[in-house]
Amino acid sequence: EIVMTQSPVTLSVSPGERVTLSCRASQSVSSNLAWYQQKPGQAPRLLISGASTRATGIPARFSGSGSGTEFTLTISSLQSEDFAVYYCHQYTNWWTFGQGTKVDIK
Amino acid sequence: QLQLQESGPGLAKPSETLSLTCTVSGGSISSGSYYWAWIRQPPGKGLEWIGSIYYGGSTYYNPSFKSRVTISEDTSENHLSLKLTSVTAADTAVYYCAGGVTNWGLGTLVTVSS
Repeated sequence: EIVMTQSPVTLSVSPGERVTLSCRASQSVSSNLAWYQQKPGQAPRLLISGASTRATGIPARFSGSGSGTEFTLTISSLQSEDFAVYYCHQYTNWWTFGQGTKVDIK
Repeated sequence: QLQLQESGPGLAKPSETLSLTCTVSGGSISSGSYYWAWIRQPPGKGLEWIGSIYYGGSTYYNPSFKSRVTISEDTSENHLSLKLTSVTAADTAVYYCAGGVTNWGLGTLVTVSS
């Protein structure tokens, strides 16, 4: 099983700040990596697939990078609607998810 | 656009079998365009992959569920099914179905309680 580890667990930020979330895989997942945003009571919303391809309708302030075992999700200027939990997800060898990073208001 | 909707009893008793359906619209489950998956999320916790089914009926399950889980497809009804046997309180969760990484249903909460 490929283990996905996200850091940090919680991130307290102010609106307008640049945010960088990390995700590490226990073995290479190539570029088969997705990022999701989840708000309370809602289903996960796909932000990024293929490590760096924004999903339809996702604002340009969200960007993904990395390959192999190290991945990053960057939010260039955090908006109020971006406070949420973010999950990374590998789909190269079945599916596994990171434990999530909660982005909350500083 | 592909849409998925989970349905089933919101309450199951311990030791019983949990049965859920995922109805797919906007596309055919037999098109081969997607691999279909079930995922769950216990209250306040993270996401856990349960298993996947591919066009033609090949299935792959998370070993954590051992032999308790069965995923199947009904191409005539264009829906997927999930069966989880011998449920306990630890199986209380929101259950999601997904078509690839892009298309997720809204999820359905299943509570296991006597």
